Amino acid sequence: ETGVTQTPRHLVMGMTNKKSLKCEQHLGHNAMYWYKQSAKKPLELMFVYSLEERVENNSVPSRFSPECPNSSHLFLHLHTLQPEDSALYLCASSQVYSSGNTIYFGEGSWLTVV
Amino acid sequence: GIQVEQSPPDLILQEGANSTLRCNFSDSVNNLQWFHQNPWGQLINLFYIPSGTKQNGRLSATTVATERYSLLYISSSQTTDSGVYFCAVSASGSRLTFGEGTQLTVNP
Repeated sequence: ETGVTQTPRHLVMGMTNKKSLKCEQHLGHNAMYWYKQSAKKPLELMFVYSLEERVENNSVPSRFSPECPNSSHLFLHLHTLQPEDSALYLCASSQVYSSGNTIYFGEGSWLTVV
Repeated sequence: GIQVEQSPPDLILQEGANSTLRCNFSDSVNNLQWFHQNPWGQLINLFYIPSGTKQNGRLSATTVATERYSLLYISSSQTTDSGVYFCAVSASGSRLTFGEGTQLTVNP
């Protein structure tokens, strides 16, 4: 238990579906992140929210749409995905502007696009 | 950006053996973390260690910041140690950069 909870843990969706991944952190952190981990590739940072403002968007296709309604919750809205988007999506949180800035990850959401 | 190289990419051990995993990085950092990713995908923090040495049970880590490397030691390995070990680093104001990981398999 890291204090970061993701749902669902597994998701299978068709290319025309719309779904969302949810992340909640109970650590009082002020920054939240979405990472993508494809097979045999390093973790790729997708989005960063700091103090509820999106501060980073690493050339992610618009079919991925993040939402951060408050400092504890982060969503990743998915629509018209492609099979190559199948991957493990990891949410994380940290306390920026503090010494250390240790990042904590959720358990991940395994996404399969069919 | 900072480059991170981990070695070896794959490691197979018998239960009870010791091992050393290495993380080299290309620039000065003020944040270095080691993670263990279990077979179910979760990344667990092992150490926050931008410099110095820390120990936690059978695991210990040492970072020599001036020489831009960190080592993770696993002693008396157990099958539950299997998984991928990642090193991640960042410099001031930058995001964490992850290495490609070391896939560890501990056989009974």
